[in-house]
Amino acid sequence: DGGITQSPKYLFRKEGQNVTLSCEQNLNHDAMYWYRQDPGQGLRLIYYSQIVNDFQKGDIAEGYSVSREKKESFPLTVTSAQKNPTAFYLCASQHSGSRETQYFGPGTRLLVL
Amino acid sequence: DAKTTQPNSMESNEEEPVHLPCNHSTISGTDYIHWYRQLPSQGPEYVIHGLTSNVNNRMASLAIAEDRKSSTLILHRATLRDAAVYYCILRDYFFGNEKLTFGTGTRLTIIP
Repeated sequence: DGGITQSPKYLFRKEGQNVTLSCEQNLNHDAMYWYRQDPGQGLRLIYYSQIVNDFQKGDIAEGYSVSREKKESFPLTVTSAQKNPTAFYLCASQHSGSRETQYFGPGTRLLVL
Repeated sequence: DAKTTQPNSMESNEEEPVHLPCNHSTISGTDYIHWYRQLPSQGPEYVIHGLTSNVNNRMASLAIAEDRKSSTLILHRATLRDAAVYYCILRDYFFGNEKLTFGTGTRLTIIP
């Protein structure tokens, strides 16, 4: 089945720890995105990548880092510099082009211990 | 970015039509109107999009005002599975690849 997978479903982070959220897609999409969602709020863009080995900051990139070494994969690292990381993290991908649909993964819920 | 305004919440009875409004008075000529919905604890899913003309697909219909400053998502016969948060989003034709800008959306409750 084609789609986007995110792992883990739940992730716990200790103070001062970096954690990495996985996002993989087998849809052959060029563009991939990371969003953060806080309770009762809409999604906010963290980072996006339109091609391998290239990525741009979104609206709330501080405290996060990404890499795009493969077309299929776009991992997000939540660093210790992110002081309020508790949120629901969503990965998405699409073909290039503004009329294309974005497809979302099931999300990872990050909690701070 | 051009912004959209939606009611925070709406209720509808099961098996009745639902009309979800969206205002986008600052829409530009190259903005597409997209609708996504998000079920609890899931990622958003695409519903429909349009530019100027009304659009229909298997999930819903999109009615766009003639001046494009508002639009309405129509669910023809609501089911309990349609209970979700519905987002109305503007996406620039030329630069829309970068991101979708989500507001808080409309939380739709379906009454059995």
